[in-house]
Amino acid sequence: DVQLLESGGDLVQTGGSLRLSCAASGFPFSNCAMAWVRQAPGKGLEWVSSLSNDGSKTYYADSVKGRFSISRDTSTSTIFLQMNSLRAEDTAIYYCAKSRVPNSMDMVFDSWGHGILVTVSS
Amino acid sequence: EIVLTQSPATLSLSPGERATLSCRTSQSVSNYLAWYQQKPGQAPRLLIYDASNRATGVPARFSGSGSGTDFTLTISSLEPDDFATYFCQQRQYWPPLTFGGGTKVEI
Repeated sequence: DVQLLESGGDLVQTGGSLRLSCAASGFPFSNCAMAWVRQAPGKGLEWVSSLSNDGSKTYYADSVKGRFSISRDTSTSTIFLQMNSLRAEDTAIYYCAKSRVPNSMDMVFDSWGHGILVTVSS
Repeated sequence: EIVLTQSPATLSLSPGERATLSCRTSQSVSNYLAWYQQKPGQAPRLLIYDASNRATGVPARFSGSGSGTDFTLTISSLEPDDFATYFCQQRQYWPPLTFGGGTKVEI
């Protein structure tokens, strides 16, 4: 079974940094594009960032561009989201998600992690 | 950026009834539209991709239709487990990937 397990969420001060991790298992990790999607409390879904299967292509929402960085480690089947210069509006549950079709930037998310809470407060 | 507008925001129905959810996009996305179900405290679950294809394990009572700018998710006969919030998502023109605001199906 596909499993995606996020970690690294915390309460952080405005302007601070945090690194989220997502450990993947149950599928050929090196073949699949991955993404982070967030959900502010009581709100809808917001795409944050995507990463190609080989890590060569990265994409970001304008709201996080220049502050967040996505990466992956194939040796540990883990993706990361480095978040810098955090703002109150970054407060959300962050989900790691797997793209459905291998070796493509399909961006249909057929598996999701349970989510991890990031709270940014002054 | 393509904007997705879902209607209604809330749908109040009873088990056994038919649910019809709408998603309209600000420009044509061809058939590159997906639907997700989310229950409180849980991650989203993929239901439909490419407008009308059911994801693995999704019951046949869920169906998707539409193309261009108008899309519909239909639940033919609501089960108690179907009361949840449903989101649409486009992947035709990205970045950014965009989601609709959601439709909550409640009893």
